[in-house]
Amino acid sequence: EIVLTQSPEFQSVTPKEKVTITCRASQNIGSNLHWYQQKPDQSPKLLFKYASQSNSGVPSRFSGSGSGTDFTLTISSLEPEDAATYYCLQTRILPFAFGPGTKVDIK
Amino acid sequence: EVQLVESGGLVVQPGGSLRLSCAASGFKYDDYTMHWVRQPPGKGLEWVSLITWSGDTTEYGDSVKGRFIVSRDNNRNFLHLQMNNLLTEDTAFYYCAKAASSLYGGIDSWGRGTLVTVSS
Repeated sequence: EIVLTQSPEFQSVTPKEKVTITCRASQNIGSNLHWYQQKPDQSPKLLFKYASQSNSGVPSRFSGSGSGTDFTLTISSLEPEDAATYYCLQTRILPFAFGPGTKVDIK
Repeated sequence: EVQLVESGGLVVQPGGSLRLSCAASGFKYDDYTMHWVRQPPGKGLEWVSLITWSGDTTEYGDSVKGRFIVSRDNNRNFLHLQMNNLLTEDTAFYYCAKAASSLYGGIDSWGRGTLVTVSS
């Protein structure tokens, strides 16, 4: 069973600051890693599939990278509407698994 | 536009059973693997189950294996989750979700969720 860890758990960030979230897998998962954004009282929304393929409508300030066991979600210049919890999901090996989430708060 | 609408969430006693349903529209339903994902109030996401387009293959997370059964009706575009022997730790919002492309392609669309509360 693959375990995903995310860091940091929580980050309080000033607008326009850069945000970097990492997701680490306990085994090689290739590029089968996907990123989601969940705002309070909303369903999750897909940001990136296969580590770096952005979903339609995702602002260009978001980027995804990585393969194997180490993955990164970057927000180059944080906007107030980016306040949310971000989750990674691995779909390489069953059972699929989400990371514990990273909450990004606006200072 | 993809629409996924869950129903069936209730308050149920420990040891009880419940059946959730999800009505799908806006896409060719019988082409896609479908998932159930849950989220306890205020906590993180947990992958629960998937069923392939034909219904021939089903998979479950360890915490629900042997208690939950996923099924689908491709004629009526419905997804179901039969939940048996419910535990208090099954309390969560349950989301119906559509696979992005293949079984291993992640999830690209989510419903709004339905709340299941297991409590005496």
